[in-house]
Amino acid sequence: EIVMTQSPATLSVSPGERATLSCRASQSISSNLAWYQQKPGQAPRLLIYGASTRATGIPARFSGSGSGTEFTLTISSLQSEDFAVYYCQQYNDWPPYTFGQGTKLDIK
Amino acid sequence: EVQMVESGGGLVKPGGSLRLSCAASGFTFSSYSMNWVRQAPGKGLEWVSSISSSSFYIHYADSVKGRFTISRDNSKNSLYLQLNGLRAEDTAVYFCARVAVGTGDFDYWGQGTLVTVSS
Repeated sequence: EIVMTQSPATLSVSPGERATLSCRASQSISSNLAWYQQKPGQAPRLLIYGASTRATGIPARFSGSGSGTEFTLTISSLQSEDFAVYYCQQYNDWPPYTFGQGTKLDIK
Repeated sequence: EVQMVESGGGLVKPGGSLRLSCAASGFTFSSYSMNWVRQAPGKGLEWVSSISSSSFYIHYADSVKGRFTISRDNSKNSLYLQLNGLRAEDTAVYFCARVAVGTGDFDYWGQGTLVTVSS
């Protein structure tokens, strides 16, 4: 099973600043990585797939990078609606599909 | 518009059973693989089970294997999860999620249904 590890667990950033979230896979997953955003009481929403492709309707301030075992989600200028929990997920080698434990993005 | 609506959650005693449903609309359901993903209160996301478009391929997480059964009815645009032998640790919101064609990510999710296992 591929283990996904996200860091940090919590990130406090001021609105308008840049946020950088990390995700590491326990073995190479090529670019088969997705990022999801989840707000309280809501379902996850797909942000990024293929490590770097924005999903339909996702603003350009969200960008993804990386391949192999190291991945990054960057939010260039945080808006109030971006404060949420973010999960990475690998779909390179399944079952099982595996998710990271999440990074909570807090308002500083 | 793609929509998926889960139902069937509720309070059940340990050892009990429930059947969850996911009603899909706005896309050709029979063309997509589908999944169930759960989230325990205050915890992260855990993949539970997947089923291919024709039901030929079915997979389960080790934590539910032998107790849960995934199925689908393409004529009714519906996905199901039969939960048997429920345990307290199965308490979670259960989401259905569609697999994107050609990539493998989960591009659309339902709003979830809460299953609570407690005596």
